Amino acid sequence: QKEVEQNSGPLSVPEGAIASLNCTYSDRGSQSFFWYRQYSGKSPELIMFIYSNGDKEDGRFTAQLNKASQYVSLLIRDSQPSDSATYLCAVNPAGGSYIPTFGRGTSLIVHP
Amino acid sequence: DAGVIQSPRHEVTEMGQEVTLRCKPISGHNSLFWYRQTMMRGLELLIYFNNNVPIDDSGMPEDRFSAKMPNASFSTLKIQPSEPRDSAVYFCAIRQGLINEQFFGPGTRLTVL
Repeated sequence: QKEVEQNSGPLSVPEGAIASLNCTYSDRGSQSFFWYRQYSGKSPELIMFIYSNGDKEDGRFTAQLNKASQYVSLLIRDSQPSDSATYLCAVNPAGGSYIPTFGRGTSLIVHP
Repeated sequence: DAGVIQSPRHEVTEMGQEVTLRCKPISGHNSLFWYRQTMMRGLELLIYFNNNVPIDDSGMPEDRFSAKMPNASFSTLKIQPSEPRDSAVYFCAIRQGLINEQFFGPGTRLTVL
C-alpha cells in the first residue's frame, strides 16, 4: 500500500514568515513529486513539481526532495494571507503509470 | 478550471435516490480520473480511464457506484442508490502536460440527506 503522509495542521504562521510544509512517502521507487494548493471550496491546482534530489525554486516557493529519506517539503517565503489554503502532496509511483497518491493535505493559515 | 467542466456543481438528494455526476474534459488528453474528497479520508481515487477504457476501478467503494466514458469528451459517475455516507466533493481530473500532472475540474458537492 503506497502511502503519503502529511501533518494535517493547521500550520499557523505570521505574514512575512517562512512556512514549511512536509510530506513523507512509503514507495522508495517513486519518480516524481507534486505540490497542489487547494483553497477552501475550490479544486486542487498544481504549484510545484520536483523530480531530482535537492531544491527547486519558483518565486516564493521552494520544493525540496530527499529520496534517501523519502521526504519532500515545500517552503513558502514571505508568506501572505493569500497563501492560506490546504497544500496537498502527491507522489507518482515507479513504473510510469503516472497515477499519483495524494496526501491528505496540510492546512496553512497565514495571519496578518 | 475551464479545461474540465463538471455538472452539477451542487447536488442535494435524499437517501435512496439515483445520482449522476457529469464530466466534460477538453480534448487532447487520454486519461480521466474520478476522485472523492472528504475531511475524514482526504482525496481518494475512485476510477481512472485510459483512452476511454476503465483501467482501475479498485477505488470504487461498492457496487452502488458505476462510471462510464462513452467518448473522450464525456464521462459519468453514477451512484444508485445513494446513501448519506456518499456525501462528499467529487472531482473529475485529466492528466496532461509534459510532467503528467493532474488538472482538476471544479468539483460537484454532493449532499445525501
